[in-house]
Amino acid sequence: EAGVVQSPRYKIIEKKQPVAFWCNPISGHNTLYWYRQNLGQGPELLIRYENEEAVDDSQLPKDRFSAERLKGVDSTLKIQPAELGDSAVYLCASSSSTVTGELFFGEGSRLTVL
Amino acid sequence: GDSVTQMEGPVTLSEEAFLTINCTYTATGYPSLFWYVQYPGEGLQLLLKATKADDKGSNKGFEATYRKETTSFHLEKGSVQVSDSAVYFCALLKRSQGNLIFGKGTKLSVKP
Repeated sequence: EAGVVQSPRYKIIEKKQPVAFWCNPISGHNTLYWYRQNLGQGPELLIRYENEEAVDDSQLPKDRFSAERLKGVDSTLKIQPAELGDSAVYLCASSSSTVTGELFFGEGSRLTVL
Repeated sequence: GDSVTQMEGPVTLSEEAFLTINCTYTATGYPSLFWYVQYPGEGLQLLLKATKADDKGSNKGFEATYRKETTSFHLEKGSVQVSDSAVYFCALLKRSQGNLIFGKGTKLSVKP
């Protein structure tokens, strides 16, 4: 069974440029998460989807970040415009249930903003 | 708010040494507790979990016991191997929130 797939693995951009990350969750997983992991820190939730509905986006900086999960399968996270402080690893995870706490993570997309 | 505090790393041990990584939490109610591990070049994966007080989670020789009286969930292994070198994250989940809250992670390096 394929795991959570993310792309790109690495991205280097100039500040003020846009960037997008893509995630394909494990087949059949209704819950999809985007986390941000700063250097030396643990992952912090940006947004959680149940199917195509964003049920928790309280930590998403909505002035520059947006996300979508059309058809309740794969998802895209966008930053526009990027700032220096956005340099981080963006993690996507999926789960078959929010109750178990068992999330399956992708390898992450490492963003460097110059 | 809810939070998780882990011991600072990095932790460097020799093969077959005993491992303890401390984790304490702050949360209202009765969260579930987890240890996730991130091996080099891989995504985070669940190592073990405990859902109520006094539960012991175990996997791959690692153990952790949910101690409500001390709000702790320390990770232990009796004899570490080089292959255990990774970053370990303690996390909590409150069912009402449906979201894992992670500690900062502890990097473990095991030398042969």
